[in-house]
Amino acid sequence: DVKVTQSSRYLVKRTGEKVFLECVQDMDHENMFWYRQDPGLGLRLIYFSYDVKMKEKGDIPEGYSVSREKKERFSLILESASTNQTSMYLCASSLPAQGSDTQYFGPGTRLTVL
Amino acid sequence: DQQVKQNSPSLSVQEGRISILNCDYTNSMFDYFLWYKKYPAEGPTFLISISSIKDKNEDGRFTVFLNKSAKHLSLHIVPSQPGDSAVYFCAARAAGNKLTFGGGTRVLVKP
Repeated sequence: DVKVTQSSRYLVKRTGEKVFLECVQDMDHENMFWYRQDPGLGLRLIYFSYDVKMKEKGDIPEGYSVSREKKERFSLILESASTNQTSMYLCASSLPAQGSDTQYFGPGTRLTVL
Repeated sequence: DQQVKQNSPSLSVQEGRISILNCDYTNSMFDYFLWYKKYPAEGPTFLISISSIKDKNEDGRFTVFLNKSAKHLSLHIVPSQPGDSAVYFCAARAAGNKLTFGGGTRVLVKP
């Protein structure tokens, strides 16, 4: 059974702080993704990675960066948190594109920036 | 500009009846479509998918229909059960592994 874990379920930070969100998957998946979920907007892709040390921008990368030093771990970094980054952050992983292309999601981190 | 749209933000249905969730897309390059289900405080879980070369896929109580000419897909849940109450996201894939998600539809199944 695929397991994707995220370091925190709830996080409260102040404007301007540097924030790290960690994601770990245990199924040796090559692909990992970071999304944010906001009401009415669904899930929007921030960054993704096809392999270690590789990263690609998603649809809304501004204000974020990522790090993938190990295959199982994908970190999302908010260099200087702002109130408009208050959101639910979801990490996902998957195998390389195949027919079913299922992404497996972690439980999410609800981040509040004050 | 949202390439995948779920125009109904919410849906209420009686237990035992059919739930129909709709999804429209604009990108003709999408070749695979998926539905995810999300409970509060949990991550989305994969429900059912369909390739663009098919027009129907069924899995138990869940059936997804694809109308490529209309760029429309729908998810039917028959019969609906209280445990189906959740938010449902439609997603579409173009090249590679990137998925584009719709805004979600909140389903409430009343006992």
